[in-house]
Amino acid sequence: EIVLTQSPGTLSLSPGERATLSCRASQRVIATSLAWYQQKPGQAPRLLIHGASRRATDIPDRISGSGSGTDFTLTISRLEPEDFAVYYCQQYGSSPWTFGQGTKVEIK
Amino acid sequence: QLQLQESGPGLVKPSETLSLTCSVSGASVNNNSYYWGWLRQPPGKGLEWIGTIYYTGSTYYNPSLKSRVTISLDTSKNQLSLKLSSVTAADTAVYFCASTNFYYMDVWGKGTAVTVSS
Repeated sequence: EIVLTQSPGTLSLSPGERATLSCRASQRVIATSLAWYQQKPGQAPRLLIHGASRRATDIPDRISGSGSGTDFTLTISRLEPEDFAVYYCQQYGSSPWTFGQGTKVEIK
Repeated sequence: QLQLQESGPGLVKPSETLSLTCSVSGASVNNNSYYWGWLRQPPGKGLEWIGTIYYTGSTYYNPSLKSRVTISLDTSKNQLSLKLSSVTAADTAVYFCASTNFYYMDVWGKGTAVTVSS
């Protein structure tokens, strides 16, 4: 199965700053089959990005995804208070679908 | 608006079978536009895909759990269910149901916590 490694584990930033989150796959992810989710404490994950770069419904354009092959990036251009959360990547190019261990974006 | 709500016992004894239900509103589980999935998240850890079911009854399971998992649909109640047999402490987690296009999960339930303990 494909192992996804997210880095850094924790990102300490201030509102208004840029956040860059990495997701690296142990094998090539077919057809940019990668999604990103946001999860806040006690809540279900929320789909942000699919197809590596396609924003889900109602996701603001300050959130963007990029990458292909084995290296993917989630970028939040200017952090808003509601963006402080844990972010997970998921690959769905090869079964079983697998998730990264998460990156926590915390307020500095 | 599609909504999902998980329910079931919060405590299961080791070696027994965990049984959860997910009630769906805003869409029919018989709708060929949706697949339905179960995932879980152990305390303080990341997410794990358990399996997916289509309205036809076709199922797709994570090989790591396949021997112990059954996912099914109850169209009369508009629900999907999860059964996980021979549970151990390692199965303690928050369990989520979700709608999916087979690949990624677009709408999630709020999750239900299950503890495996005697």
